[in-house]
Order: sequence, then C-alpha cells, then structure tokens
Amino acid sequence: DQQVKQNSPSLSVQEGRISILNCDYTNSMFDYFLWYKKYPAEGPTFLISISSIKDKNEDGRFTVFLNKSAKHLSLHIVPSQPGDSAVYFCAASTLLWSNTGKLIFGQGTTLQVKP
Amino acid sequence: EAQVTQNPRYLITVTGKKLTVTCSQNMNHEYMSWYRQDPGLGLRQIYYSMNVEVTDKGDVPEGYKVSRKEKRNFPLILESPSPNQTSLYFCASSLRTGLSYEQYFGPGTRLTVT
Repeated sequence: DQQVKQNSPSLSVQEGRISILNCDYTNSMFDYFLWYKKYPAEGPTFLISISSIKDKNEDGRFTVFLNKSAKHLSLHIVPSQPGDSAVYFCAASTLLWSNTGKLIFGQGTTLQVKP
Repeated sequence: EAQVTQNPRYLITVTGKKLTVTCSQNMNHEYMSWYRQDPGLGLRQIYYSMNVEVTDKGDVPEGYKVSRKEKRNFPLILESPSPNQTSLYFCASSLRTGLSYEQYFGPGTRLTVT
C-alpha cells in the first residue's frame, strides 16, 4: 500500500518556465512533508519541507503548497533551470514517528529542464 | 565536511555469500537509517537506529541485519543475499529534533546479487 504517491514518473519543462511536481498521500496522520532532490550517482538531498500547520512554505525559487483536505502537496520551481534536472522525491512523516526518524517516500518524479 | 559515507559504492556478489555495507557519519547524529530504492517503489526503510545499541525494523527488514556499536557507524549486513536484494541502498542520518525529519543521505551502494 503506497501511502505517498507521485503519479507522474517524469516531467519536462522549458528553462525559465514553472515546474510543478505533485504528491498525494493517504495517511491522515502525516503532519510533516519534505521534498528531496536526487542527482544520478548521489544520495538524495533535502530541498524544502512543510508542517501541516502551514499551507505554504517558500525558499527562493522553491515553494511547497499543502492542501490537507485533499491530502495533496506540490512543489513549484520558478523559474526552472537546467541544473534543476533531477529526480524529486516527496516524503512524509508524523510526530508519532519522531523517535524513529522514519520517512515514507513517494516513487519519485524525474524532472528534465530543457535549455 | 559534514557527510555520510558508504562503502562499497558498487558490489556484485553471488547468492548466499555474506556481505556488509558500511555506513559512517561525522555529524554526531543520533538517528541513522538504511533505505533501499527500487524502480516504481521509491525509498523504503529497512532498519533504523535511535542511538547506540538501539535499533528497530523498518518497513522491509527481511533478510537484513544491522548493528550500532558506535554512534558514527551503522553497518548493514546481508547474511545470505538473494537476487531480490539487488537494489540501490542508502544510509541516512539525522539529528533528534521535535518536528525536524531532515535526513542526510550517503551516496548510495548499488548491489547486484546473481
């Protein structure tokens, strides 16, 4: 049972345009969400996070939106740059797991930003 | 430089031959985890450790063992590897903080079991 789903395996956008990556979750206990970026031959690196008490968090070109009623979050990258080309993983957790450091990851979305 | 290191980065082995993948972090993090990444499944947690001598199963622990004798090291042991353990493995560490689940990942170990 996939509790965190990224239904788009890939996304291609033009440099300078907006990239929108989507993530859906099923477990209503999740109260903290993260996005990780992964380049080939490297481990995932933390990008941005959001707590369930917020509906938006912004960090430079990256903004994450959370819609709790729809159990949906999205990552917006504006403007997109070729260096943003990577696999993006959505991850979720709950305060109940804070002693475990456990994260549930989605399947990942491969973003390609074309020059 | 703060980092998580894993060795080896690539490993090809045969069914049943015991192997260990090492993981070390230099950030004095309490939490460490092992994940495997498989196509279409994302990253799934194998085992985690909350501190020295404290470990517990994640979502896919079958066929794996871990130990945490020192805070910085968290080796993953496959006593009798099988082909279904062919995967990309990541070690991760994190600080114990209230709402922060940010984890730092190693570069990965690509394991092939024939």
